[in-house]
Amino acid sequence: EAGVVQSPRYKIIEKKQPVAFWCNPISGHNTLYWYRQNLGQGPELLIRYENEEAVDDSQLPKDRFSAERLKGVDSTLKIQPAELGDSAVYLCASSPGDRAAEAFFGQGTRLTVV
Amino acid sequence: RKEVEQDPGPFNVPEGATVAFNCTYSNSASQSFFWYRQDCRKEPKLLMSVYSSGNEDGRFTAQLNRASQYISLLIRDSKLSDSATYLCVVNQGGKLIFGQGTELSVKP
Repeated sequence: EAGVVQSPRYKIIEKKQPVAFWCNPISGHNTLYWYRQNLGQGPELLIRYENEEAVDDSQLPKDRFSAERLKGVDSTLKIQPAELGDSAVYLCASSPGDRAAEAFFGQGTRLTVV
Repeated sequence: RKEVEQDPGPFNVPEGATVAFNCTYSNSASQSFFWYRQDCRKEPKLLMSVYSSGNEDGRFTAQLNRASQYISLLIRDSKLSDSATYLCVVNQGGKLIFGQGTELSVKP
């Protein structure tokens, strides 16, 4: 069975440009997470979906970040415009929805803003 | 104060050593607990869940102390392949909160 798939793996953009990341979770997983991880830090939650509903987006910088999960499957995270401080690894994870269940992560998208 | 706190290390230990990591969490309503492992430039992967009664998986033992709000991970007979960052994770109502991670380096 395929795991969580993210694309692209790497992205280099100039500041003020837009960028989008895509995530395909494990089939049947209701919960989808987007995390951001800076070097030497643990992942920080940006947004969590239960099916197509964003149930926790309190840490999403809404002035420049947006996300969607159409039909409760794939998800897209967008940044517009990007800033230098957005350089990080963006990780998508999915979970069956049982609160004791583990989350499975994709390989992440490494974003560099120059 | 961070919701989940860990000593970032690094912990440098020789092969065969026993090493222990601790983690504290601030929200007493946290429901479930995990240790994840993250290799350099890779994604985090579940190492083990942590149960109230404590649990063991081979050389790894996890403990939870709800009264003191801390979680521990013990690794016995360390292998070179154990070198990685170990992330303490707390589930609060479906939200997974990660600690900073503790870096372990096992030397020959």
